[in-house]
Amino acid sequence: AQKITQTQPGMFVQEKEAVTLDCTYDTSDQSYGLFWYKQPSSGEMIFLIYQGSYDEQNATEGRYSLNFQKARKSANLVISASQLGDSAMYFCAMSGYNTGNQFYFGTGTSLTVIP
Amino acid sequence: DGGITQSPKYLFRKEGQNVTLSCEQNLNHDAMYWYRQDPGQGLRLIYYSQIVNDFQKGDIAEGYSVSREKKESFPLTVTSAQKNPTAFYLCASKVGGREQFFGPGTRLTVL
Repeated sequence: AQKITQTQPGMFVQEKEAVTLDCTYDTSDQSYGLFWYKQPSSGEMIFLIYQGSYDEQNATEGRYSLNFQKARKSANLVISASQLGDSAMYFCAMSGYNTGNQFYFGTGTSLTVIP
Repeated sequence: DGGITQSPKYLFRKEGQNVTLSCEQNLNHDAMYWYRQDPGQGLRLIYYSQIVNDFQKGDIAEGYSVSREKKESFPLTVTSAQKNPTAFYLCASKVGGREQFFGPGTRLTVL
């Protein structure tokens, strides 16, 4: 069974500071992908970053980086230099090779950036 | 511009009525998905389709139906059998093993 756990319902960060959003996962697949999405109040889901299970380097996309610790089954999102526009819900997701392209989402973390 | 469109943005339904939510993509993606999101919660998979004329149930398919007659289109019908249909519905598509692309969503309210 696939499962994504996000244990932080809400987080606050000062503008221009870095913040880490936690994500742990459980899977029996050897090959899988990990994803982070941002959902502003408008409701759209915006793809942020992807990490493959066989990627040796942590993924980075601009101010976003993914701290991938395979042995611990964690895939934390790091946002550097937070901006007011980063205030949103953030979802961690996983897709496994043996699960037929299904995605499994966590319950999300609400991030608020304080001026 | 390539993307996913969902219509309508807001939908109101009386109890006992069936309603159909539209999802169209021009990304030439093979796989399409429907999710339901309730307030303060994550996304739950309703149905997905990997190719035309084929689809599979997700975790919460009861009370919903879909069709996939064209690659570009994956409409979702919320039937009267769905007892608590008020929610935010998101359609997505993908190709290969990478990320899903999402539409803007439809907010369904039962009156």
